[in-house]
Amino acid sequence: DVKVTQSSRYLVKRTGEKVFLECVQDMDHENMFWYRQDPGLGLRLIYFSYDVKMKEKGDIPEGYSVSREKKERFSLILESASTNQTSMYLCASSPPGETEAFFGQGTRLTVV
Amino acid sequence: GENVEQHPSTLSVQEGDSAVIKCTYSDSASNYFPWYKQELGKRPQLIIDIRSNVGEKKDQRIAVTLNKTAKHFSLHITETQPEDSAVYFCAEKISGGGADGLTFGKGTHLIIQP
Repeated sequence: DVKVTQSSRYLVKRTGEKVFLECVQDMDHENMFWYRQDPGLGLRLIYFSYDVKMKEKGDIPEGYSVSREKKERFSLILESASTNQTSMYLCASSPPGETEAFFGQGTRLTVV
Repeated sequence: GENVEQHPSTLSVQEGDSAVIKCTYSDSASNYFPWYKQELGKRPQLIIDIRSNVGEKKDQRIAVTLNKTAKHFSLHITETQPEDSAVYFCAEKISGGGADGLTFGKGTHLIIQP
């Protein structure tokens, strides 16, 4: 059974704080992704990575960065959190090609 | 990313009736089209997918059809049951030549009326 685990279910941070969201997968997947989910907007891709130390911008990378030092771990970083980054963040992983992406349980981040 | 339009945003059907959700995409290079179901408070999970060399795929009460010429694909749920109530997302992907993320539609909230 594939497991994608996000470090926190709920997180409250202050404006201007540096925030780290962690994601770990146990299936040796090459690809890992970070999405944010907002009502009426669906899932929007922030960043993805297809290998260790590799990263690619998604559709909405502004205000975010990522780190992938190990194959199983993909971190999303908010350099200076802002209230418009209040959202549900979903991590996913997949093998290469036309295959299923497996999602984590999500982190609901509130920036106050 | 490429645009995926999904309709309707909300769909209410009587239990036992059929439900159809439609998506259109813009890039003719797209070749993988999955559908995800997200129950309240849970993570999205794949329920069915289709690749561009196939026009239709069925799994029990769920089917997906793909029209590559018109660039649209649809999810069909027959004999709907209360547990089908959820948000459904279509997605598309252009495979080959490195990784790329799935591009999702905005979702359809399916409500099954008893």
